[in-house]
Amino acid sequence: QVQLQESGPGLVKPSETLSLTCTVSGAFISAYYWSWIRQPPGKGLEWIGHIYYTGSTTYYNPSLKSRVSISVDTSKNLFSLRLTSVTAADTAVYFCARDKASEDYYYNYGMDVWGQGTTVTVSS
Amino acid sequence: EIVMTQSPATLSVSPGERATLSCRASQSVSSKLAWYQQKPGQAPRLLIYGASTRATGIPARFSGSGSGTEFTLTISSLQSEDFAVYYCQQYNNWPLTFGGGTKVEIK
Repeated sequence: QVQLQESGPGLVKPSETLSLTCTVSGAFISAYYWSWIRQPPGKGLEWIGHIYYTGSTTYYNPSLKSRVSISVDTSKNLFSLRLTSVTAADTAVYFCARDKASEDYYYNYGMDVWGQGTTVTVSS
Repeated sequence: EIVMTQSPATLSVSPGERATLSCRASQSVSSKLAWYQQKPGQAPRLLIYGASTRATGIPARFSGSGSGTEFTLTISSLQSEDFAVYYCQQYNNWPLTFGGGTKVEIK
């Protein structure tokens, strides 16, 4: 079955850039949106953004829009997150997920596959 | 941004009893609502999409209802593995938004 695995540094210094990768196994990235979601310690879920598998369409949370970018590399079967100018408020568990939807979002079957999450701490 | 409000924040239920969780949207999201279950240290798990359609492999004791701004997740007879935090999420408008969660705990 489809599995997602996040990877990247667990510690990032303030003002630097957080970079994470989500590697997809068990299937090719050949359809749907691919999302990033985060969860600060002891808090709820925050959607960061997602990208359509072709890379043609991206949506970001306006609360992060100026600092975030998501890209996809279908040749390597992975997608990535970059978050610039991080602060302590960006400390969280970061999840990647498959957002099973058509490009126009008319057909949508939910975020049905998730990675296990990776903890990122922002600290000097 | 559509604000999703879940109630109650905590629900204390005995095993075998029925649990009813509520989710309200600040504006209509039609039926574009999903429910997720999250256990400590784990990723969320999709339970329901389209407000009422169970995801693959989800037991029939989980059911969703509602449309517009008012939604309900019902667990008909709580099993030990159902004690967790439940989140609703709308996908009618960007940004996608989650509710704050309802923790279902053992009474």
